[in-house]
Formats: sequence, structure tokens, C-alpha cells
Amino acid sequence: EAGVTQFPSHSVIEKGQTVTLRCDPISGHDNLYWYRRVMGKEIKFLLHFVKESKQDESGMPNNRFLAERTGGTYSTLKVQPAELEDSGVYFCASSFLKGKETQYFGPGTRLLVL
Amino acid sequence: AQTVTQSQPEMSVQEAETVTLSCTYDTSESNYYLFWYKQPPSRQMILVIRQEAYKQQNATENRFSVNFQKAAKSFSLKISDSQLGDTAMYFCAFMKQGRYDGGSNYKLTFGKGTLLTVNP
Repeated sequence: EAGVTQFPSHSVIEKGQTVTLRCDPISGHDNLYWYRRVMGKEIKFLLHFVKESKQDESGMPNNRFLAERTGGTYSTLKVQPAELEDSGVYFCASSFLKGKETQYFGPGTRLLVL
Repeated sequence: AQTVTQSQPEMSVQEAETVTLSCTYDTSESNYYLFWYKQPPSRQMILVIRQEAYKQQNATENRFSVNFQKAAKSFSLKISDSQLGDTAMYFCAFMKQGRYDGGSNYKLTFGKGTLLTVNP
């Protein structure tokens, strides 16, 4: 069974540019989460999808971040325009619909904004 | 809001020895789950062990076990017979339990992590 995959694995962009991160959850997982780890800090929750619906986006830093999950399958997280403080590792996780189920994480996308 | 504290940024242990990683948390919830995840170098984060707060018995998974002290809000991870492959960043995480009502009940709150190095 394929795990959670994320693309790209690394991205280096300049301040002001746009970057789109992609997450493919495990097949059959309706819950999809985005998290972010800024260097030296905790992994922090960004948002939660159930199928194609945003259930909780309380962790999104500001309106430069836009997440979508069209058709309830893969998800994208777009940062536009990117700022220096957006640098970090962006993790995606998925789980079955019953929320208490284990969240399976992807390898993360390392974003560096110069 | 919940907080999770891992007071040991780095630890090291000799192969075959036992090591304990500490984790404390703060919450007003009475029902919740606690997790330990590990992230080996350049690899995916995987679940090591989970504990339901309503269970008094400490969870165990092979060489990994926890010491869950609910009153003290402590959740330490013990790794017995450490192996080189245990070298990783270990994250303690909290998730509150609740009725699924479309809210944010199932997001994880993480500590900063402990980098464990197992030396040969």
C-alpha cells in the first residue's frame, strides 16, 4: 500500500514568488491534514480537510496561504506571495474518517524562501 | 489550548542500553490520546506508540513502552535494547478526543522534539 506522498521534496524560491505544494493521501483516507515545522520550533497544525471540505483552518498563518482538495483526493497548498518566514518543512498527514485513527505522515516538503 | 513540552532537545545512548525520553503536557481535557512519533534522518515520520488517556495500563510496542502518569500529565517513552536504527527525532503529540462534529477535534499538538542518537 502506498503511503502519503508529497511533492516536491524541496523547493527554493525567492521572496515574492509563488509555490504550490502537493499532497497525495493514502487511498481511502478522508481526513487530510497540513502541518508545518519552522526551524527549531514545534510542528504546528495548519488545516484539516474532511473529503473536499475544510473542517478547520484555524492554523493557517494568513491569507497568503490557500489550501484546496478538489474531489476529496489530493490536496494542494499554495503560498502567494512567499515571505522569508514561510520557510520550513510542510507535512501532510491522512487518516480514516473516524478521527481518532492514526495519522500517517508524508515525508514533508522543505521550503526555503530567500 | 493544549501544550506539549519535551525538555530534552538532544539525547544519546549506547547501543543495547535503555533510554527514556520525557514529555509533559498541559490540558483541561479529560479524554484524549497521546502519541510518540519518530522521524529518522531523511525519512518519513512514523507512529511509534499511542496511549488512550482512559486506559490505566501503559502501552507497549516491542522494545518501546510508555510511562503514562495522568495526574502528573507526564508521558515518557522508554526504549529498551537501543538499536542504531532508533536514531531519529522523536516527537510527543497530543490529540483531544471528542464527538466528531466537523470541528478540529483531531488535530495533533506536538512538542519540539528530542533528537536521539544511538552510538555503536
